[in-house]
Amino acid sequence: DTGVSQDPRHKITKRGQNVTFRCDPISEHNRLYWYRQTLGQGPEFLTYFQNEAQLEKSRLLSDRFSAERPKGSFSTLEIQRTEQGDSAMYLCASSPPKDTQYFGPGTRLTVL
Amino acid sequence: GENVEQHPSTLSVQEGDSAVIKCTYSDSASNYFPWYKQELGKRPQLIIDIRSNVGEKKDQRIAVTLNKTAKHFSLHITETQPEDSAVYFCAASQGSGYSTLTFGKGTMLLVSP
Repeated sequence: DTGVSQDPRHKITKRGQNVTFRCDPISEHNRLYWYRQTLGQGPEFLTYFQNEAQLEKSRLLSDRFSAERPKGSFSTLEIQRTEQGDSAMYLCASSPPKDTQYFGPGTRLTVL
Repeated sequence: GENVEQHPSTLSVQEGDSAVIKCTYSDSASNYFPWYKQELGKRPQLIIDIRSNVGEKKDQRIAVTLNKTAKHFSLHITETQPEDSAVYFCAASQGSGYSTLTFGKGTMLLVSP
């Protein structure tokens, strides 16, 4: 499968724990995006990388959230001290320059 | 920032009928408008997109129209089939994919046989 992949697909954690998600973009895509989607809503932008540089962060992204793309390939999204309100589907997308974004299958986070 | 409104939130049609979903956007700088289809538990998949230099684009049973003056764009699906049942999202951005997408809240389309 040469599409965007995400791991894990599902994560259940207790409130206050830290979680980390991984996204592997399509190999030739230099742009990578993280979105969050809650039930009945469209995806909401969180942050964006061009190669290894994090170029934009949403005001929605609290200081408990951090994302990295150290070598310009895969990316990780970490949530520290999780809260119940963090429960959502976390979607990753990638694109080549000036082209369409292709989404991964998402990581569904449940915070108990 | 950009705000995208999408209507209706749910749409039920009979197989073979046409379906139309409408979106409006607020930022006149937006110039790229993709539509995504999301089936239950699956990833959003691009079905069609349009850039602001054209008014209409077709791909088999799917078409999208854009009115830049009114800042609205629409998705048209003809000869609907049960497998068209899904949630459809419109989105807008200021670049052809190299800037962030702002999504509408989605339309759940149900096509009954």
